[in-house]
Amino acid sequence: NAGVTQTPKFQVLKTGQSMTLQCAQDMNHEYMSWYRQDPGMGLRLIHYSVGAGITDQGEVPNGYNVSRSTTEDFPLRLLSAAPSQTSVYFCASSYEPGQGFPSSGANVLTFGAGSRLTVL
Amino acid sequence: GQQLNQSPQSMFIQEGEDVSMNCTSSSIFNTWLWYKQDPGEGPVLLIALYKAGELTSNGRLTAQFGITRKDSFLNISASIPSDVGIYFCAGQWWVQGAQKLVFGQGTRLTINP
Repeated sequence: NAGVTQTPKFQVLKTGQSMTLQCAQDMNHEYMSWYRQDPGMGLRLIHYSVGAGITDQGEVPNGYNVSRSTTEDFPLRLLSAAPSQTSVYFCASSYEPGQGFPSSGANVLTFGAGSRLTVL
Repeated sequence: GQQLNQSPQSMFIQEGEDVSMNCTSSSIFNTWLWYKQDPGEGPVLLIALYKAGELTSNGRLTAQFGITRKDSFLNISASIPSDVGIYFCAGQWWVQGAQKLVFGQGTRLTINP
């Protein structure tokens, strides 16, 4: 059981280049999400998905695209990288958001190890 | 939108000391979570709190969910070198069946041996 796997772990891009950060989970989680972590800013939600074929914007979606063709995979695409997108990116997943008030850890996020992106 | 204020932003302590950090918000949350991030890794859940006033322990860690559902604290007793890292609080709520989560800015813990 690998949990949440992110690739690549490190990437350097030039301004204007495109790339895709990969995220895969083997826990049959319905909910998947992408966060970026910047110093002093905590973790900010970029995009999320509550199931295959369904995606929605988070707090900071501009400059990023996502798709969810399968339950297991949730790639994050940067179409034209900018220096402001230099950050550490985390993918996270959980069971389907519960209906009503949860009493167990089923909705708690499991994070990947992160992908450090530098845009020059 | 929902925001969390986490303090302190950083702590420098001696090994063996106790640690206390907290998060406050003007918003009410259904669930309060505490995560720890080791250097070069993703955050890992430490404690989850589901009920107002709930006090939960996990080894040397103790966390409480405020009675108003707007705050939480995390205490670490007798700190050891492996406690080094960034600690995040997170508030969770649901909107029309969709899970929403907001993180605090983090508390960076450094321990001098």
